[in-house]
Amino acid sequence: GNSVTQMEGPVTLSEEAFLTINCTYTATGYPSLFWYVQYPGEGLQLLLKATKADDKGSNKGFEATYRKETTSFHLEKGSVQVSDSAVYFCALGGSNYKLTFGKGTLLTVNP
Amino acid sequence: EPEVTQTPSHQVTQMGQEVILRCVPISNHLYFYWYRQILGQKVEFLVSFYNNEISEKSEIFDDQFSVERPDGSNFTLKIRSTKLEDSAMYFCASSSAGPQYSPLHFGNGTRLTVT
Repeated sequence: GNSVTQMEGPVTLSEEAFLTINCTYTATGYPSLFWYVQYPGEGLQLLLKATKADDKGSNKGFEATYRKETTSFHLEKGSVQVSDSAVYFCALGGSNYKLTFGKGTLLTVNP
Repeated sequence: EPEVTQTPSHQVTQMGQEVILRCVPISNHLYFYWYRQILGQKVEFLVSFYNNEISEKSEIFDDQFSVERPDGSNFTLKIRSTKLEDSAMYFCASSSAGPQYSPLHFGNGTRLTVT
């Protein structure tokens, strides 16, 4: 079945540091890939998405490229801010009727 | 921007009691989901619903759970006899197409506490 393996945190960075959160997947067919973010006390919000191989999703300075050859969708940001502190979830939408999530990575950015 | 709304935001119940969690999905969406989150991290799939029937469910979604779309706007999750381990944050979501094609939009959740 479909699965998502995500770098486990917590990850602690200083402001303006470079961020990478690794995500790899296992799936049949041609899934779509997503990153969701959850700020403290809130629900999950879509951060970015990619629907086919080599697509790059981007939003709010975050980027992720759908790499079919390495089955990866790593999240990156060149310069993090304190306001980026949140839990980040990699997710896979396959041909079935559910979105499969990774376990989440807690990011803390210190000033 | 349209959003998914969930009520109540927090529900406390005693073990063995029935609870109903309510959700109003985005109005033109056709696919509906319930997820739960324990300990603020792992997000677990419970059930998906399309065309007035369950399209997929997880092993967590046993006979104690049921879903309903009673009136074309609400989408409810019922837990018949709650257990302590049902304590979690429950998220409703909706999408305009299946998850392969369309992102899910989540509500802010209902925190269920079973005592």
